[in-house]
Amino acid sequence: SAVISQKPSRDICQRGTSLTIQCQVDSQVTMMFWYRQQPGQSLTLIATANQGSEATYESGFVIDKFPISRPNLTFSTLTVSNMSPEDSSIYLCSAKITLGSNYEQYFGPGTRLTVT
Amino acid sequence: TQLLEQSPQFLSIQEGENLTVYCNSSSVFSSLQWYRQEPGEGPVLLVTVVTGGEVKKLKRLTFQFGDARKDSSLHITAAQPGDTGLYLCAGGSNYKLTFGKGTLLTVNP
Repeated sequence: SAVISQKPSRDICQRGTSLTIQCQVDSQVTMMFWYRQQPGQSLTLIATANQGSEATYESGFVIDKFPISRPNLTFSTLTVSNMSPEDSSIYLCSAKITLGSNYEQYFGPGTRLTVT
Repeated sequence: TQLLEQSPQFLSIQEGENLTVYCNSSSVFSSLQWYRQEPGEGPVLLVTVVTGGEVKKLKRLTFQFGDARKDSSLHITAAQPGDTGLYLCAGGSNYKLTFGKGTLLTVNP
């Protein structure tokens, strides 16, 4: 398994500003992901954070809006840039642990972002 | 695009009742994971099933993966208020997970 921590746990930000969310995993992992979750809704994948290369973004998400860093195998950051109220959401970091030919995926506690 | 349909979307029951949550897709998945998420927390992995027809038990929770690896079910026996939460199924293929919309379960004392 993997234990994942995120900072901050929550924040209230003004529109037009940016927030960087940090994610720390207690072990080295090959793949890390960033998700967004609207209250009471399911998870939407933003991007895969690749160590040593640019993140891979899902349809509807772009690097200019959600720049991601992955400097090593245990740490990643997600920045929400030029925020608007529509960016208010829970942002979740996730890490994949490979088990033979299959894998398990674990999540951090999330960062609750409110943009005013 | 792979889709996972979960049903029911909402479920409110009394303590001690049994319930089943379903997760269905037209796509085949190499594995299927079930998560429970409580308010203000991240999803917590409950189980991973990888073999068609596989059944796994976790105390009062029984998980089954369909023979064709396209569907799964979660059965809870004698539900307790502590079982309250959002139950999410997620199908694994290639390198990423596809999530269902979840079943919000409320168990009333």
